[in-house]
Amino acid sequence: DAGVIQSPRHEVTEMGQEVTLRCKPISGHNSLFWYRQTMMRGLELLIYFNNNVPIDDSGMPEDRFSAKMPNASFSTLKIQPSEPRDSAVYFCASSSQGAAFFGQGTRLTVV
Amino acid sequence: DQQVKQNSPSLSVQEGRISILNCDYTNSMFDYFLWYKKYPAEGPTFLISISSIKDKNEDGRFTVFLNKSAKHLSLHIVPSQPGDSAVYFCAASALNSWGKLQFGAGTQVVVTP
Repeated sequence: DAGVIQSPRHEVTEMGQEVTLRCKPISGHNSLFWYRQTMMRGLELLIYFNNNVPIDDSGMPEDRFSAKMPNASFSTLKIQPSEPRDSAVYFCASSSQGAAFFGQGTRLTVV
Repeated sequence: DQQVKQNSPSLSVQEGRISILNCDYTNSMFDYFLWYKKYPAEGPTFLISISSIKDKNEDGRFTVFLNKSAKHLSLHIVPSQPGDSAVYFCAASALNSWGKLQFGAGTQVVVTP
């Protein structure tokens, strides 16, 4: 298995633009997580899905952030409009039970 | 509110010696604990986990110890190897919010020859 696949690996965008991050979880995993890593706050959970249904989005910082999981093999995290303080590394992870397995992350820079 | 704490931001250890990483937690509802290893520009990689019904779990060079009464866990790596140089994160979750991992701030381990 190729593991959790995220795209793009790097994204540089201007403030105010819409940003979409993509994730393909490991086949057979029924839970998917979006995390964000920053120097100030470390690794924090934004939202997680179980069987494609959002279970807990309490970590989503603002209404500018939204996430979808239209099917078991694909999820998106969208920021609209983006702001410089959204600059961070965004990780997607998936699990079947127990440990979550992470993708390589998307480094987002908003200028 | 940091519920999982790794109070040592860095650790330097000689190759061949034991590395001991510590983690404390405050939420008594946590019952599943994990350690992840992270290299620069990569995602965290799962290393080892332990549930609250056990006090020790071993996998090769890695052993995790859990002291529930002290709300403390530790990761032992023996012998340490240069490839172990990375940031190590402690994480925890509760059964009633399974999957919602709370991470510590991480400990940077440097293994020197």
